[in-house]
Amino acid sequence: DAGVIQSPRHEVTEMGQEVTLRCKPISGHNSLFWYRQTMMRGLELLIYFNNNVPIDDSGMPEDRFSAKMPNASFSTLKIQPSEPRDSAVYFCASRPTGSNQPQHFGDGTRLSIL
Amino acid sequence: GQQVMQIPQYQHVQEGEDFTTYCNSSTTLSNIQWYKQRPGGHPVFLIQLVKSGEVKKQKRLTFQFGEAKKNSSLHITATQTTDVGTYFCAGRNNNNDMRFGAGTRLTVKP
Repeated sequence: DAGVIQSPRHEVTEMGQEVTLRCKPISGHNSLFWYRQTMMRGLELLIYFNNNVPIDDSGMPEDRFSAKMPNASFSTLKIQPSEPRDSAVYFCASRPTGSNQPQHFGDGTRLSIL
Repeated sequence: GQQVMQIPQYQHVQEGEDFTTYCNSSTTLSNIQWYKQRPGGHPVFLIQLVKSGEVKKQKRLTFQFGEAKKNSSLHITATQTTDVGTYFCAGRNNNNDMRFGAGTRLTVKP
């Protein structure tokens, strides 16, 4: 079975540029999560969607970050403009129906902002 | 808001020694999940605990959920080099919010 697919795996760009991270959840999963992981702050929940609807975006750091889920099989996390402090590994995870189900993580996108 | 505290932040052990990581929540949890992240990898689900006082085992790993459903522990008996990684707990409160602990990074010296 295909797992959660994230792209790109690595992204290096200059500050000020727009960055778009992509995620394809596991088919049939109705919840999707975006996380950011850094050494200093650990694993932080940025936003999650249920049935394509954003439920909790309280973890989104600031207005430079935005996330969309136009359909059940695709989500994007956008940073505009990017800053060096945005450098981190960004994970997408999906979960089947039912809040007791485990989350399945993608391989992550390692983002470096120069 | 709900906070999940996890200790220790780091643990370095000699191969064969035991290892324990602890999670504490500021609120009562409906369930708690444990994940393992290998170096350079992504978190992978290990187990879920739901009942008060529940204990589950996976080979050398023992997971416990406290009687008050506010704390949990993961204990590894006789660590091996394959146990290296970061172990995360993730607690779900009664409002269905789930939060990850900061993780415990385990290193094992052969």
